[in-house]
Amino acid sequence: AQSVTQLGSHVSVSEGALVLLRCNYSSSVPPYLFWYVQYPNQGLQLLLKYTTGASLVKGINGFEAEFKKSETSFHLTKPSAHMSDAAEYFCAVNAGNNRKLIWGLGTSLAVNP
Amino acid sequence: ETGVTQSPTHLIKTRGQQVTLRCSSQSGHNTVSWYQQALGQGPQFIFQYYREEENGRGNFPPRFSGLQFPNYSSELNVNALELDDSALYLCASSPDPLTTGELFFGEGSRLTVL
Repeated sequence: AQSVTQLGSHVSVSEGALVLLRCNYSSSVPPYLFWYVQYPNQGLQLLLKYTTGASLVKGINGFEAEFKKSETSFHLTKPSAHMSDAAEYFCAVNAGNNRKLIWGLGTSLAVNP
Repeated sequence: ETGVTQSPTHLIKTRGQQVTLRCSSQSGHNTVSWYQQALGQGPQFIFQYYREEENGRGNFPPRFSGLQFPNYSSELNVNALELDDSALYLCASSPDPLTTGELFFGEGSRLTVL
């Protein structure tokens, strides 16, 4: 069965600092992995996704993530945090039948001036 | 291109009542998925509709039901509301039923059950 674990429900960084949000997954099939962002009072928006091919995936707003099969990880990074990055971030993996996504509990990112 | 819209944005109901939430899918999308997001939790899959047929269901009781219309808009109905049904209900549309692509979410309907 598929599952997602996001380490750290709250992460706080200074503006300009590195952002690292951790995601580990479990999957009985080759995974498709996603990072979504949720700004306050808004719906979820896709940041980036990994399906096949290159393990380093670049997304919107300067975010990227690396698929590491040996570590079953898909951590999200951004070299320099901006105040506008403050939001809730969700990691997700496809279910085996590809009809739904299995979501982590989310990580709330705070960016301090 | 019109995005996914949901209505109402907020509503308050009492235990035992029934509620209908509505979703207009993005233009060109034939698939709608509904998710429940409780406070502090990730979204939980309720069900998916593809071309007016239920195409997959999560671990939700039968009092959660849905419809998809010929224009691919959708409704989520919840009967006999319970306190634990209080949550943000998210609708997502996609151009096909597979989750290998992007889901396009609406802003959600926040339901409070008293």
